[in-house]
Amino acid sequence: SQTIHQWPATLVQPVGSPLSLECTVEGTSNPNLYWYRQAAGRGLQLLFYSVGIGQISSEVPQNLSASRPQDRQFILSSKKLLLSDSGFYLCAWSTRGNQPQHFGDGTRLSIL
Amino acid sequence: QQPVQSPQAVILREGEDAVINCSSSKALYSVHWYRQKHGEAPVFLMILLKGGEQKGHEKISASFNEKKQQSSLYLTASQLSYSGTYFCGTGGAGGTSYGKLTFGQGTILTVHP
Repeated sequence: SQTIHQWPATLVQPVGSPLSLECTVEGTSNPNLYWYRQAAGRGLQLLFYSVGIGQISSEVPQNLSASRPQDRQFILSSKKLLLSDSGFYLCAWSTRGNQPQHFGDGTRLSIL
Repeated sequence: QQPVQSPQAVILREGEDAVINCSSSKALYSVHWYRQKHGEAPVFLMILLKGGEQKGHEKISASFNEKKQQSSLYLTASQLSYSGTYFCGTGGAGGTSYGKLTFGQGTILTVHP
């Protein structure tokens, strides 16, 4: 069966520090991968999605970047975090097309 | 464009029914429904594709009206476990959107004993 792993579960970082969140999927190949951010009490905002290695589409101009160095690995990064980067970050995967998205457990990021 | 969900919140007693609506200003190809418990990741409930399809899973079902560009989620005989925030996610044509979804703002459902 397919599983998705996301870490760390929680992270507290100072303003201006770098960020790296990692997501890996097991049990499937060539998945679509997604990074979402959810502010407290709000909906899901799509940040990046990828349909293959090295193929990244950005949905919202911001302080973040994403990379997909391997088929089932998706990384969210920042060189310098802002206070507004705080939130609940979720990685998700799906097979091609309009298929269900399956979410990781998320990373709760607090910026001080 | 973000779909609009209504109501924003609903409170039920166990056994009562609820309907959550999701409306879009853009043509819809698909609608996904998810439920998120507090502090957890969203969990997939069901997907509907254009064609006025209606799907059901036990006491939770959904309809998709392509002409009206809206979908409704029906929860019947609600249980305590139904509590959470429900999100609809709307998708464009599969070939060009790569499965991208735009999520609504969520509907908070609370079921009391």
